[in-house]
Amino acid sequence: DQQVKQNSPSLSVQEGRISILNCDYTNSMFDYFLWYKKYPAEGPTFLISISSIKDKNEDGRFTVFLNKSAKHLSLHIVPSQPGDSAVYFCAASALQGAQKLVFGQGTRLTINP
Amino acid sequence: DVKVTQSSRYLVKRTGEKVFLECVQDMDHENMFWYRQDPGLGLRLIYFSYDVKMKEKGDIPEGYSVSREKKERFSLILESASTNQTSMYLCASIGEPYEQYFGPGTRLTVT
Repeated sequence: DQQVKQNSPSLSVQEGRISILNCDYTNSMFDYFLWYKKYPAEGPTFLISISSIKDKNEDGRFTVFLNKSAKHLSLHIVPSQPGDSAVYFCAASALQGAQKLVFGQGTRLTINP
Repeated sequence: DVKVTQSSRYLVKRTGEKVFLECVQDMDHENMFWYRQDPGLGLRLIYFSYDVKMKEKGDIPEGYSVSREKKERFSLILESASTNQTSMYLCASIGEPYEQYFGPGTRLTVT
């Protein structure tokens, strides 16, 4: 069963506009959520994270929102830049889980000039 | 900066061969992980290790084994490679809190 789901395989956004990537999870034990960015032929790099005690975390152009009641999180990128074109993975972890991460399927974001 | 290195970027092996994928991290992290990434499936955990000589199965351990003889080194072994093990293999080590640092990946093709 897929505990973390990214239902949009791809997303195309105009440069300068807002990119919104979505992620849903089913396991209510998850208490920490992360977003990773991956370029082709490279390993994923950490982007931003949020603890379940918060509903928003911001870092420059990147903001992650967490809606625990809906078991939903989203990543907002404002403004979008061509270098943001990559595959984005959301991941979740449970405190008791030996710091294992469960990843979503990924969303390929393309920023058009 | 944390650095996680993997022994090969690209590897081509034949069916039935024994394959070793090496991963080294330089930050004295205790926890290390092996994932495979396949299109539409995201990253799936194969094995992880939380200490030297300690290992635990992840979600898809079948056909794989691991070795952790030193803290900085975590090896993934394909005992008898099969075509369905063609994939991108990613090693990671974990810092605090929960941030996993990934190596560049090994693209393995089994023919």
